[in-house]
Amino acid sequence: GENVEQHPSTLSVQEGDSAVIKCTYSDSASNYFPWYKQELGKGPQLIIDIRSNVGEKKDQRIAVTLNKTAKHFSLHITETQPEDSAVYFCAASKTGNQFYFGTGTSLTVIP
Amino acid sequence: DVKVTQSSRYLVKRTGEKVFLECVQDMDHENMFWYRQDPGLGLRLIYFSYDVKMKEKGDIPEGYSVSREKKERFSLILESASTNQTSMYLCASSWGKNEQYFGPGTRLTVT
Repeated sequence: GENVEQHPSTLSVQEGDSAVIKCTYSDSASNYFPWYKQELGKGPQLIIDIRSNVGEKKDQRIAVTLNKTAKHFSLHITETQPEDSAVYFCAASKTGNQFYFGTGTSLTVIP
Repeated sequence: DVKVTQSSRYLVKRTGEKVFLECVQDMDHENMFWYRQDPGLGLRLIYFSYDVKMKEKGDIPEGYSVSREKKERFSLILESASTNQTSMYLCASSWGKNEQYFGPGTRLTVT
């Protein structure tokens, strides 16, 4: 099956700085890569996703890049704010029925 | 807004008890999922269902069963709860090969 690795497991940044979280996947057939944000006491919520026919996608301060050749994708958050503090998960899927998740990154934005 | 609700936020059960976790979604999604979330392991798929009365095993189905009698409801059953099933359980739903919407989670403690 698919194997998704996510780094780093914890990340602390100063408010206003950028944060980058990286994931690699093993199955070259994977074609959908969502990113989820999980706040304390809540379920994960989709923040951005990318499909394999696109190399980069941006939504305001959040961007995702995908390198199919290297089988890795990254989440970029610019101008971080305290409310960005949460756990972030990457995932990969080829069927839309089974999603394989990374182990999560706990992001802390220091005011 | 899609809403996925789970029957309990917190649950404490004794070893050997039969446990039912209920999940309901209100968006007529065909796919529903049960995950467990453990620190350092991310989200692991237990079972998913792509239609009423249909189910597929995920990565860690041992010790669990599921039931989907109605499209909007997906139940996770622990036939005989054990302490190693203490975890956070997350339900999700999706339409087609699209993003998953998660419920708030049920934190189950088995003593």
